[in-house]
Amino acid sequence: QKEVEQDPGPLSVPEGAIVSLNCTYSNSAFQYFMWYRQYSRKGPELLMYTYSSGNKEDGRFTAQVDKSSKYISLFIRDSQPSDSATYLCAMITGANSKLTFGKGITLSVRP
Amino acid sequence: DSGVTQTPKHLITATGQRVTLRCSPRSGDLSVYWYQQSLDQGLQFLIQYYNGEERAKGNILERFSAQQFPDLHSELNLSSLELGDSALYFCASSAHRGHTEAFFGQGTRLTVV
Repeated sequence: QKEVEQDPGPLSVPEGAIVSLNCTYSNSAFQYFMWYRQYSRKGPELLMYTYSSGNKEDGRFTAQVDKSSKYISLFIRDSQPSDSATYLCAMITGANSKLTFGKGITLSVRP
Repeated sequence: DSGVTQTPKHLITATGQRVTLRCSPRSGDLSVYWYQQSLDQGLQFLIQYYNGEERAKGNILERFSAQQFPDLHSELNLSSLELGDSALYFCASSAHRGHTEAFFGQGTRLTVV
């Protein structure tokens, strides 16, 4: 079993839809949880990070962490065509700085 | 623009050869991380340097090595290249020891033929 599993894609939604992206993990030592966005031919860009269970909101984006279920989500409200990209979840333990990524899901927002 | 500069952007080389990828971190960032991204494995952490010292190692092959210089730029050396080494190689940097706010460069696309 991989340490981090991410829902397979691709995902296509109409503009304005609410998007839910999910990851599960198996390593209880993960303490920090991140979401990256990667446009085609670009490097990943950090969207959000959190270290506690619960919700964290930033504009149209909400990151949710449920440590008891080992489950994290990223919600995108009022999705825009500019949100079309690959989204990667990532997690880190406090101990050794190793960042572990999910394989990513490609999102397409149709105008 | 993340402020992390990677050169070259593209590299095509033959099996058995050696290449060097270069990374200039954001101004003031002391940590540099190297990652490999391939279609089948996704984004894999290779190695981290902090202020010139190796800090953490991930899935880095023995044929690969890295270093961080006094001016904080870093190089990733890949030797005895195999077809399976074809991938995107990313460098990221952060101000501190942890990954929590690492900024990625645009990557070097390596093609081994």
